[in-house]
Amino acid sequence: AAGVIQSPRHLIKEKRETATLKCYPIPRHDTVYWYQQGPGQDPQFLISFYEKMQSDKGSIPDRFSAQQFSDYHSELNMSSLELGDSALYFCASSLGETGRGYTFGSGTRLTVV
Amino acid sequence: RKEVEQDPGPFNVPEGATVAFNCTYSNSASQSFFWYRQDCRKEPKLLMSVYSSGNEDGRFTAQLNRASQYISLLIRDSKLSDSATYLCVGFLSGAGSYQLTFGKGTKLSVIP
Repeated sequence: AAGVIQSPRHLIKEKRETATLKCYPIPRHDTVYWYQQGPGQDPQFLISFYEKMQSDKGSIPDRFSAQQFSDYHSELNMSSLELGDSALYFCASSLGETGRGYTFGSGTRLTVV
Repeated sequence: RKEVEQDPGPFNVPEGATVAFNCTYSNSASQSFFWYRQDCRKEPKLLMSVYSSGNEDGRFTAQLNRASQYISLLIRDSKLSDSATYLCVGFLSGAGSYQLTFGKGTKLSVIP
């Protein structure tokens, strides 16, 4: 069965650079969520989109932005990267507002050096 | 205070043992709960959903007590492959909020 696809799997960037992470939800899923998980930490909610509109916002820094496109894929744009941004970034998708079929992607591991 | 709290462990148990994890939540409006399993450097994977009083799937039993605001996960006949971090998760839907709230996880090591 199709899963949530994230790209790239690994990314290494230097401080102050920009990174773009991509998430392709499960087909027919209309809701996308982004999470950040630091080493030894639980996933922290960043932002979510439902039907291409931002539906909720968590602890996303102002240096980050995200959007959901017409084909429901989402991109997380991260600028002025800091060492502390090094983490595993998960995307999840679900069907509708009830969270049906909530599924995580394999994550993108971002390392800022 | 975190919305979902768990004992971080680690729980070190021998193969075949029964182990129980507890999780408490502070937001009484949380509608459903999940136990996720996360292996090192991998994404969280859904283990069980808990919508009403409980759920059972093979060796795993989850129970929800809304009055006391806690959820438990019982693992019977532990296997080496059960070694992982178990995340207690609350889901709140409504008023524009559709996010999962994670506990910090409980680490389980099953020892031969």
